[in-house]
Amino acid sequence: DADVTQTPRNRITKTGKRIMLECSQTKGHDRMYWYRQDPGLGLRLIYYSFDVKDINKGEISDGYSVSRQAQAKFSLSLESAIPNQTALYFCATSSQDSINTGELFFGEGSRLTVL
Amino acid sequence: KQEVTQIPAALSVPEGENLVLNCSFTDSAIYNLQWFRQDPGKGLTSLLLIQSSQREQTSGRLNASLDKSSGRSTLYIAASQPGDSATYLCAVSLSGNTGKLIFGQGTTLQVKP
Repeated sequence: DADVTQTPRNRITKTGKRIMLECSQTKGHDRMYWYRQDPGLGLRLIYYSFDVKDINKGEISDGYSVSRQAQAKFSLSLESAIPNQTALYFCATSSQDSINTGELFFGEGSRLTVL
Repeated sequence: KQEVTQIPAALSVPEGENLVLNCSFTDSAIYNLQWFRQDPGKGLTSLLLIQSSQREQTSGRLNASLDKSSGRSTLYIAASQPGDSATYLCAVSLSGNTGKLIFGQGTTLQVKP
């Protein structure tokens, strides 16, 4: 099983619908992140969490919200999806206790299409 | 604002060739720089992480260098193989040794048999 698991892997939805992308990890890491990737662009940070009670906005948080339900779970919500939120979404983890603190471990991505 | 640029966007080489991928960043005050590999339909895999105090890191046929003063990093791949075909992304730490990274657009590498 993958260390960082994202569900669903693919989702097609309509404008205005509420969507939740879920991420769970078995690495025991304290830090979790949501990134989005658009064609021809690098990844951009949406939200991040350094602990269960810690939530922080990233570079492009507008239109998104997150919930850190437990150390191992971090979900991303689109309250009212719009077409320009069509993208590939990645969850990632890292550990402040790692020798290579800051090294990220990624899930396999959730491809979201908003019609 | 930190910007990360990777040139070229795509590269095709014959098998066995040594090659260099380039990454440049505008703000030299970085904490670390990472190189990732992305395969189609897959997530990113961390290849090498260079802390700001380091000049290079090596793993197998891969060698990454960092020159903070010039805002550049290179990823050197020795004796390329078809299995090296993938998109390679570099990213710099936004602040501290965290996963808050600024990514380049990536270089898509094709190694032809």
